[in-house]
Amino acid sequence: EVQLVESGGGLVQPGGSLRLSCAASGFTLNDCSMNWVRQAPGKGLEWLAHIWTTSGTTHYAESMKGRLTISGDNAKNSVYLQVNSLRDEDTAVYFCVRDRDWAFDHWGQGTQVTVSS
Amino acid sequence: QSALTQPASVSGSPGQSITISCSGSSSDVGGSDHVSWYQQHPGKAPKLMIYEVIKRPSGVSDRFSGSKSGNTASLAISGLQVEDEADYYCCSHARNDFWVFGGGTRLTVL
Repeated sequence: EVQLVESGGGLVQPGGSLRLSCAASGFTLNDCSMNWVRQAPGKGLEWLAHIWTTSGTTHYAESMKGRLTISGDNAKNSVYLQVNSLRDEDTAVYFCVRDRDWAFDHWGQGTQVTVSS
Repeated sequence: QSALTQPASVSGSPGQSITISCSGSSSDVGGSDHVSWYQQHPGKAPKLMIYEVIKRPSGVSDRFSGSKSGNTASLAISGLQVEDEADYYCCSHARNDFWVFGGGTRLTVL
């Protein structure tokens, strides 16, 4: 069974940083690509970042470029998202999402990030 | 503002059919076969309902179908059921941003 478990969320002050983790099981990262998607309270889905875990090639949402770094560790079957210079508007649930056949076929339950002083 | 435009809400009665539109441009929906749709119930993670415009993942009811014409994709749901009440999001591979979502549509089953 495919499972994605996010961790690393929490309360952080404006200007701070967080590193989110996503532990994958039931498949190997080499078989697909991975993404991070977020959802602010009461708002829609927003795609943030993508990584081809085999090659390490990455893509980022233009609105977030410069503040995000997505990475993967095939040995740990895990994906990470570093978010810097956090702002109030970054408060959201952050989902780890598997991308196979150019569709988001499995989603984690999400980790809550709250930016507040 | 989302890159893809969806109606904020649609509604229908049990047994009826509805369609949700997703309008983009030639840089995304119009220029891509990688258009997908997601269903999200409150407090839950989204679920893939349609991919590559028209394909249904295993386990998704055939009451759900997808289509595309020009820069607009559509999700149709026939034989509405109470459990279909949820938020629906379209998504497209895009030339500029790698992936773009629609703003979401709240489906109410009256």
